[in-house]
Order: sequence, then C-alpha cells, then structure tokens
Amino acid sequence: SQQGEEDPQALSIQEGENATMNCSYKTSINNLQWYRQNSGRGLVHLILIRSNEREKHSGRLRVTLDTSKKSSSLLITASRAADTASYFCATDGGATNKLIFGTGTLLAVQP
Amino acid sequence: EAGVTQFPSHSVIEKGQTVTLRCDPISGHDNLYWYRRVMGKEIKFLLHFVKESKQDESGMPNNRFLAERTGGTYSTLKVQPAELEDSGVYFCASSQLSASYGYTFGSGTRLTVV
Repeated sequence: SQQGEEDPQALSIQEGENATMNCSYKTSINNLQWYRQNSGRGLVHLILIRSNEREKHSGRLRVTLDTSKKSSSLLITASRAADTASYFCATDGGATNKLIFGTGTLLAVQP
Repeated sequence: EAGVTQFPSHSVIEKGQTVTLRCDPISGHDNLYWYRRVMGKEIKFLLHFVKESKQDESGMPNNRFLAERTGGTYSTLKVQPAELEDSGVYFCASSQLSASYGYTFGSGTRLTVV
C-alpha cells in the first residue's frame, strides 16, 4: 500500500483560530495536492505544490513541503465555520496517471 | 464551463442488485478517473480512461465492477451484483492534462447497499 497518512485524524478548533494538518507519504512525487470534502459533497481541489517548491500560499491557505521527510502541512489561518470539512492530501506517486490519497483529517470549526 | 457531473447523487439498493453510476466529464477532458471512499476510509483509485481506452484499471476491486466510456465522452461504472462492502462514495474526476496538474472532481455518488 502506498497511501499517505494525515494527522491528526480529527481536529476541533474555534472560529478564528488556525488549523494545521500534516501529511506523510511514501513514494517520490512530482507534486502534492490538497483537497477538501464537505459532508456529502464532492472533492474540491485546494492547492498544488510541486516537488521543487517548499512553500505555497493561496488566500488563507499555506502549504509546506519537505521532500526529504516526505511530509507536507496545510495551514488554514483565521478559520471559519465554513471550513468544517475533511481535508486530504494526495500525491501522484511519481507517476502521472493517478493520485494516492491520504486518510484525511476531519476538521470541525466551532462558531 | 460545466463541471464534472455525476448521477445519481444517492443510490440505495439491496445486496445482489445491479447499480450503474454515471459520470459526465468536463467537455474536452480526455482523462477520466474513478475513485471511491469506502466506510470513511481513504480515497482509493479505481481506474483511469484516456478517451475511450482504459489506461489503468489496477484499482478495480473485482470482476463485479465494470467501467465503460462510450465514445470517449461520459463514463459508467456498473456494480453487478452489489455487495454490502461496496457501500461508499464513488467519485469521478476529469482532467485535460495529467494528474500532475490537478483534477476536477464531481460531487460523487453515495451508494448504500443494504
């Protein structure tokens, strides 16, 4: 199995706080992506970071990548109740035809 | 542009019945993928089409699952006969380029086998 793992599995914070989720993977990669799944809905692509990048920002999102440790983190700043969702990291495993998803972090933002 | 469309959004069937899920990718996207998330576990790859051809079907769990992509447009995923462990959310995604550039996912079909 080449699935990655996210931690924590579940995270509960208050609105306005920052949320940090981590992801580890096992293979070489071309890029790593983060997705969000709201309850009962589809996956939404959040951000993609390439293997030669170390940090990337998009709005309230900040992603870091450490290829030497095969790990990534997703930081959501100033969280909102609407950020409540499951967050998944996904890698291409060095190949280009499919994504390998992590186990996901369930984030609950309390209003 | 319209996104990736999946239907039905929900399906409840009895064990032993047949269910067909449909995915309409974004127009012009040659790559179409099926994934599923079973019992709240990780999201797993099922297969990948390039146009009408199956590029990689290494994730298909068994021969009860049959995927087709007629004319390189929409795709169907048939489960026959359905088993309890097939319950989960089935996602379809499409992309114009390779997976390295990110996918657009559909909203998924929640399948419940009772």
